[in-house]
Amino acid sequence: NAGVTQTPKFQVLKTGQSMTLQCAQDMNHNSMYWYRQDPGMGLRLIYYSASEGTTDKGEVPNGYNVSRLNKREFSLRLESAAPSQTSVYFCASGTRSFNEKLFFGSGTQLSVL
Amino acid sequence: KQEVTQIPAALSVPEGENLVLNCSFTDSAIYNLQWFRQDPGKGLTSLLLIQSSQREQTSGRLNASLDKSSGRSTLYIAASQPGDSATYLCAVRKPLNRDDKIIFGKGTRLHILP
Repeated sequence: NAGVTQTPKFQVLKTGQSMTLQCAQDMNHNSMYWYRQDPGMGLRLIYYSASEGTTDKGEVPNGYNVSRLNKREFSLRLESAAPSQTSVYFCASGTRSFNEKLFFGSGTQLSVL
Repeated sequence: KQEVTQIPAALSVPEGENLVLNCSFTDSAIYNLQWFRQDPGKGLTSLLLIQSSQREQTSGRLNASLDKSSGRSTLYIAASQPGDSATYLCAVRKPLNRDDKIIFGKGTRLHILP
């Protein structure tokens, strides 16, 4: 009963390095989301995908790209990491109904030095 | 712009007491409101979802209410236990043109004292 799986759980990068955060869900959900959580800022939406093949910007998309590889997988890429991207990243999925509940992964703690 | 506020940011309560967590939002045009629980180092778990047409939802010792006209929701926890210690976040779903958004509050960190 995996739900939403994120990898890796921890990552340290140097400024300018690139990496991809992976997310997969096994609940056959249509919508998937990437959030970042920072102290004092709460959860902020980076990108979301309402369905397979579509992606849209959220509140803080600069410096990130996403790929909805298929219905199960939604990846987040940092092309050139910056210290301001140090954060905890959460992937979530939902049924894309007006009253959908969101299901979250356990998060990726990313530090950019 | 929709804003979601949770006050207080932190709360400590002796075990066994009943308590209320507050959530307020600036725009009453919402589809629903959800309450989440987040344990340290973990993701969020949905506790209760209240549709815009509903006044309250209950699950076990938890009861969430919604007053859209005043832009407020409360999460009532009965007979609190140390295991209830966590951060509780509320989130509203608001339509924005054709793309609806879920907007989170910053949460209330709850500590139940044994």
